[in-house]
Amino acid sequence: ETGVTQSPTHLIKTRGQQVTLRCSSQSGHNTVSWYQQALGQGPQFIFQYYREEENGRGNFPPRFSGLQFPNYSSELNVNALELDDSALYLCATRGTGGANTGELFFGEGSRLTVL
Amino acid sequence: GIQVEQSPPDLILQEGANSTLRCNFSDSVNNLQWFHQNPWGQLINLFYIPSGTKQNGRLSATTVATERYSLLYISSSQTTDSGVYFCAVEYRGGGNKLTFGTGTQLKVEL
Repeated sequence: ETGVTQSPTHLIKTRGQQVTLRCSSQSGHNTVSWYQQALGQGPQFIFQYYREEENGRGNFPPRFSGLQFPNYSSELNVNALELDDSALYLCATRGTGGANTGELFFGEGSRLTVL
Repeated sequence: GIQVEQSPPDLILQEGANSTLRCNFSDSVNNLQWFHQNPWGQLINLFYIPSGTKQNGRLSATTVATERYSLLYISSSQTTDSGVYFCAVEYRGGGNKLTFGTGTQLKVEL
């Protein structure tokens, strides 16, 4: 149990549509990041938010955007969906103190299928 | 960017056997984690180990940061150990992200 909750767990969209994925975490976890994991590959970093501002971004186009809210929950939005966007999307938060401050904890993911 | 390579890519064990998984990385790191990804996609934290040695039950891990590698030891393997094992690193100059390795697919058979 990581304390990171994602929704929805599964969803199906068609090419060209838009999707919003959601993530919530334990209070005090003020850093959230999103990863995309295509089938058979390792997760790839999309972006990270700290105190409601983006503070790191991977090699993803602008149609991938995000938000972090004052309660530290977060959204990942993807516009103009493409077939290659089909993947498992993972949200992660960081530990906030002690010896493992840099440790990331992942949610169970949202599996997106684009038809 | 940093390269993170894991070996072996695939491993089949009989229940009760021991194994060692290796993670090599091409640059200095300030964070290294080992994960087990179960068949449902959940990434389960095994170790946060940028350096040194840790043990947790049947699992242990060692990171030798100066030589740029980490090892994950699984003893007395069980069928529930099956899945994909990833190491992931953060490195100086890499921004606030984990870079994942290529993964080791482990299958433990009865």
